[in-house]
Amino acid sequence: AQSVTQLGSHVSVSEGALVLLRCNYSSSVPPYLFWYVQYPNQGLQLLLKYTSAATLVKGINGFEAEFKKSETSFHLTKPSAHMSDAAEYFCAVSAGGSQGNLIFGKGTKLSVKP
Amino acid sequence: DAGITQSPRYKITETGRQVTLMCHQTWSHSYMFWYRQDLGHGLRLIYYSAAADITDKGEVPDGYVVSRSKTENFPLTLESATRSQTSVYFCASSLLGGSATEAFFGQGTRLTVV
Repeated sequence: AQSVTQLGSHVSVSEGALVLLRCNYSSSVPPYLFWYVQYPNQGLQLLLKYTSAATLVKGINGFEAEFKKSETSFHLTKPSAHMSDAAEYFCAVSAGGSQGNLIFGKGTKLSVKP
Repeated sequence: DAGITQSPRYKITETGRQVTLMCHQTWSHSYMFWYRQDLGHGLRLIYYSAAADITDKGEVPDGYVVSRSKTENFPLTLESATRSQTSVYFCASSLLGGSATEAFFGQGTRLTVV
């Protein structure tokens, strides 16, 4: 069965610092992986997705993630944090088969200090 | 407006009452989903639907009922609300059920059961 583990429920960085949000997955089949962002009182918005075309995936707002099969990881990074990046971030893996749903990690709340 | 909309955005109800959360999408997406978001649990799938008149249980279906008579609507009913169903509910849709297809989320409904 597919699952996702996000390391760190809360990450705090200074404005301009590197953002690194960790995600490890478990999947019995080649995984399709996603990162979503949730701003306060809003729904989830897709940041990027991995669908096996390229291991380094670029997303919106300057974020990118690298798929590493050997480490079963799909960590999210951004070189320089901005105050507007403060939000909750969810890593997800496709459930596979005909269900079509995503299985989410528990989320990481990112705080950005001025 | 195009997209996926949920109503109401906020709802307070009493224990034992029936309450229905509405979800409407304008994309003609085949798949629709209901998730609940709770602190420490991330998002968990309640029910999903692959097409009109086709629904199936997710991870946490107990106490909920869904229907999908039209492609664009996917209401979620709590038959007899309990305090444990206090949560934020998200509806989502995706074009296809394939593993590489991302889901698009509504703004959420914050439900409080008192």
